[in-house]
Amino acid sequence: AQTVTQSQPEMSVQEAETVTLSCTYDTSESDYYLFWYKQPPSRQMILVIRQEAYKQQNATENRFSVNFQKAAKSFSLKISDSQLGDAAMYFCACSIQGAQKLVFGQGTRLTINP
Amino acid sequence: EAEVAQSPRYKITEKSQAVAFWCDPISGHATLYWYRQILGQGPELLVQFQDESVVDDSQLPKDRFSAERLKGVDSTLKIQPAELGDSAMYLCASSFRDGASGANVLTFGAGSRLTVL
Repeated sequence: AQTVTQSQPEMSVQEAETVTLSCTYDTSESDYYLFWYKQPPSRQMILVIRQEAYKQQNATENRFSVNFQKAAKSFSLKISDSQLGDAAMYFCACSIQGAQKLVFGQGTRLTINP
Repeated sequence: EAEVAQSPRYKITEKSQAVAFWCDPISGHATLYWYRQILGQGPELLVQFQDESVVDDSQLPKDRFSAERLKGVDSTLKIQPAELGDSAMYLCASSFRDGASGANVLTFGAGSRLTVL
């Protein structure tokens, strides 16, 4: 079974600055996928970015990028040029090939200071 | 853009009462999930369907919770009787497999928030 750990319950950043959210995971599988989801207050969870474990290149989506360290089982999310709309709970998640379900971390609450 | 529909959005009930939640996944998504999210925590899987069949219900408290997806489309999650500890957000999600990467991509509904008094 896989586990996902987010060690930062809360983070804050000044608007326009860069922030990095940490995530570590554990799985014995070799074929798996990693995700970051965003959950704004009272709104639904949406996918921010995903990474296939077989890819060495880090995924990027506009202002969002990841630092995937496979050997260390680390998967951090970097948000550049932070905007007020980035304020939300961020969840790191892992799924293994075949099982399809997502296992989530505990979440990091990100606050953006104007 | 296609969405996962859930109802009701909010439900307040007294303990020992029955409660039901409904989910309509994105058309064509064969896999449907029910997650429970306690305030301030990450979602935890309750049950996973592939079409009308249960794939994983290992974390579903079967003495009081039941879930069905009779025609392999929409789904109902029921709690009877409700307990104080059941207060949480109940999230439904459906997924497709990305052909290029093989990743299973989940889309979530807005959730049903349950308060048990």
